[in-house]
Amino acid sequence: EVQLVESGGGLVQPGGSLRLSCAASGFTFSDHYMDWVRQAPGKGLEWVGRTRNKANSYTTEYAASVKGRFTISRDDSKNSLYLQMNSLKTEDTAVYYCARDLSYYDHWGQGTLVTVSS
Amino acid sequence: EIVMTQSPATLSVSPGERATLSCRASQSVSSNLAWYQQKPGQAPRLLIYGASTRATGIPARFSGSGSGTEFTLTISSLQSEDFAVYYCQQYNNWLLYTFGQGTKLEIK
Repeated sequence: EVQLVESGGGLVQPGGSLRLSCAASGFTFSDHYMDWVRQAPGKGLEWVGRTRNKANSYTTEYAASVKGRFTISRDDSKNSLYLQMNSLKTEDTAVYYCARDLSYYDHWGQGTLVTVSS
Repeated sequence: EIVMTQSPATLSVSPGERATLSCRASQSVSSNLAWYQQKPGQAPRLLIYGASTRATGIPARFSGSGSGTEFTLTISSLQSEDFAVYYCQQYNNWLLYTFGQGTKLEIK
């Protein structure tokens, strides 16, 4: 069974940093592209960014709203995906989901809440 | 950026009736469109990909159609567990996936 479990969310002040993790199991993690998608409270879904697999040189892409502040990485030996978030803004407040990227998302984690507030 | 527009924002339908949800793309996305269902406090669940292919385990009452810029999700006979928010997503532009703003399907 495919499982994705996020962790690392919490309350952080504007300008602060936070690192989210996503632990994957039940599939060959190293074969897959992996993405982060977020959802602000009461709002819709927003793609944050993706990391490709080793075969595609682990290249990354980001939404314009987070480019230069967020960094996606992965550790295939640990079946883990990460999202390093720096220079956080109040508008980054959201539930952050990791998701397996087949172009569409066939599996999602349960999400972790990040609240940016003073 | 490809803008996805869903209509209506809210749809009120009685159990057992048919629901039809629409999604329009600002430019052609071919058949590179997915539909998701999200219930309160839960992650989205994939229903349809490739505009019309049901994901694993999705009941046959869910069907998708369309191509290019106009897409439809139809739920043929609404069950109580189908009342939720539905999102469409285009993945034709692989540099920037975009979602619609969602349609809330509520009990009439």
